[in-house]
Amino acid sequence: EPEVTQTPSHQVTQMGQEVILRCVPISNHLYFYWYRQILGQKVEFLVSFYNNEISEKSEIFDDQFSVERPDGSNFTLKIRSTKLEDSAMYFCASSDRRTSGNTIYFGEGSWLTVV
Amino acid sequence: AQSVTQLGSHVSVSEGALVLLRCNYSSSVPPYLFWYVQYPNQGLQLLLKYTTGATLVKGINGFEAEFKKSETSFHLTKPSAHMSDAAEYFCAVKGTQGGSEKLVFGKGMKLTVNP
Repeated sequence: EPEVTQTPSHQVTQMGQEVILRCVPISNHLYFYWYRQILGQKVEFLVSFYNNEISEKSEIFDDQFSVERPDGSNFTLKIRSTKLEDSAMYFCASSDRRTSGNTIYFGEGSWLTVV
Repeated sequence: AQSVTQLGSHVSVSEGALVLLRCNYSSSVPPYLFWYVQYPNQGLQLLLKYTTGATLVKGINGFEAEFKKSETSFHLTKPSAHMSDAAEYFCAVKGTQGGSEKLVFGKGMKLTVNP
């Protein structure tokens, strides 16, 4: 079964460093998402991306964050200058069309630790 | 705005016992409702979803959930727990209007199954 894949599975970075989390969505999907889960808290929506632009973002997704689809397969989340509070599990997700009942498929997550 | 409440964080049942995981939602528009499961060291996997039609929804691995509009609930059940059901379960809601694609998650419920 097709799946969303994410790399790295775990990254430790120093505060202030830039981090890029990578994702390969399911191949025929057109909508891409990033969510995050801080330890012990809810899974939170960060951003959705369609047709090479951000379609929706949360208030968490400030100027420190950016997303990009640099080629036909990858979808990346960049955090420019990491803070301690960015430590979380980051989930990439994708879906094949924009209907509200459509299933969103998630990857296994990238665990980011900022020290 | 939508929200999801999953009271408590941990449920423990015996193998063969009924599993009941509660989910209540708040939504100003008719919702679409989802249950996701996260097995250890894996990503979020869709168990089942309610979009329209029959309010009793059957999912994978013998789970089912019933949408009760009057109670704003979408509780997840399984008649007989299996050891392999040990995981964390997340209820999520998405609005059907306004074009938003984001899922709003509850805090999750960790299910332990005792032999």
